Amino acid sequence: QVQLVQSGAEVKKPGASVKVSCKASGYTFTNYYMHWVRQAPGQGLEWMAIINPSGGSPSYAQKLQGRVTMTRDTSTSTVYMELSSLRSEDTAVYYCARGGVRRNTPFDYWGQGTLVTVSS
Amino acid sequence: EIVLTQSPGTLSLSPGERATLSCRASQSVSSSYLAWYQQKPGQAPRLLIYGASSRATGIPDRFTGSGSGTDFTLTVSRLEPEDFAVYYCQQYGSSPACTFGQGTKLEIK
Repeated sequence: QVQLVQSGAEVKKPGASVKVSCKASGYTFTNYYMHWVRQAPGQGLEWMAIINPSGGSPSYAQKLQGRVTMTRDTSTSTVYMELSSLRSEDTAVYYCARGGVRRNTPFDYWGQGTLVTVSS
Repeated sequence: EIVLTQSPGTLSLSPGERATLSCRASQSVSSSYLAWYQQKPGQAPRLLIYGASSRATGIPDRFTGSGSGTDFTLTVSRLEPEDFAVYYCQQYGSSPACTFGQGTKLEIK
């Protein structure tokens, strides 16, 4: 069965960076686009980034350009999201989600979420 | 960027009643690339509807999606206790970004 397992909760100080991982299993990793989505406490969902695990450059939400980096390791079927210059507004649950075999597809599987807390 | 506006913000109904949730887009959503998700507290979202009207695997037929262009609707025909949650619409037709609506909370009256 398809599983997306994320790394554990993080507490960071303002200005620091955080890197969250998402390990996929139960399907052919390189066949499906992957996304990162975040959700601030009590708020809605915000799309962050997309990557084609078989190759090509990732794409990012405009408001996060320059601070977010999405990468993948096909040898371990893992995607990563690194967010730099953290500020209090980045406190959120970060989810990885699987898209489809084409770019414009919905998200059918989600990771369990990783809480990132930014606090001095 | 396509902005999605969901209404109402909160919907208070009783089990057995019919729920109608709305999602309006600031511009036409190409090829009906519109999805609906359900999220319960402490859980990740779950895909309910894609392509505006197709149910995802394992989703009960009391959930129905409809609409096209800029106006979309999620209907839950007879509410079960487990249906009370927050619902989000999403457009995934624009590149590179998809966008989500702000959510509708469906609560027990």
